Amino acid sequence: IAGITQAPTSQILAAGRRMTLRCTQDMRHNAMYWYRQDLGLGLRLIHYSNTAGTTGKGEVPDGYSVSRANTDDFPLTLASAVPSQTSVYFCASSPGGENTEAFFGQGTRLTVV
Amino acid sequence: GQNIDQPTEMTATEGAIVQINCTYQTSGFNGLFWYQQHAGEAPTFLSYNVLDGLEEKGRFSSFLSRSKGYSYLLLKELQMKDSASYLCAVKGSNYQLIWGAGTKLIIKP
Repeated sequence: IAGITQAPTSQILAAGRRMTLRCTQDMRHNAMYWYRQDLGLGLRLIHYSNTAGTTGKGEVPDGYSVSRANTDDFPLTLASAVPSQTSVYFCASSPGGENTEAFFGQGTRLTVV
Repeated sequence: GQNIDQPTEMTATEGAIVQINCTYQTSGFNGLFWYQQHAGEAPTFLSYNVLDGLEEKGRFSSFLSRSKGYSYLLLKELQMKDSASYLCAVKGSNYQLIWGAGTKLIIKP
C-alpha cells in the first residue's frame, strides 16, 4: 500500500463503550493529525503529533486520547463514547514544515447510539 | 478569535468559470491551502499560497492577498467531475491548519 489507511471504515457504537480508531501511514511522514468533520462545520483538529513520541491537543480534544509510539501509527481512542462524538473522523499526515500539504485517510464514519 | 469564511454553496454551468472566495482572520499566517472533497471521500490537496499573487495549475488557479485576508480559487472549463466541496484552510501561528466549512459546488449541464 501507499498512503494512509484508517480502520474501520464505519462503526456503530453503543454509548459508554470504548473504541479505538486506527491510522497507519507508510510515507514516513513526521506529522500526523486526527480531525472530525461535522455537517456545516470545518474540519476540527482533535489531536496531533509532530513527531513520534510526542502528541498535542487540538481544538476539540475532550473525550479523546492518542498515542504515537512509532512513526507509522497514530491511534485515536474514545474512552467512553457519547452521542455527540458521532462524526466522520479523518486521519492525516504530512512531512512537516511550513508548506507541506496534508494527506488524508479515507475516513471513519462513527455513529454513537 | 480565528475565522475562515466561505460561501456555503455555489452553482455553475459545465464549461463555465467559477470563483470561490475565502476570507480569513487568524493569529499569524503561514500559508493558505485549498482542498477538494468529493462526497463521502477524503479531502485532496489542490493548491498552496504563501505569497501574494496568483498560482496557476492547469484548470485551477488560486489567488492570495495577505493584506486583505482574502483568497479565491478559480476553476475554468468546468466539468461535471468538479462537483465537490472546496475547503479553504490557513496555517496559523502554531503551524496548525484552521479550516473553513467548505463550499459545495454544484455543476449543471
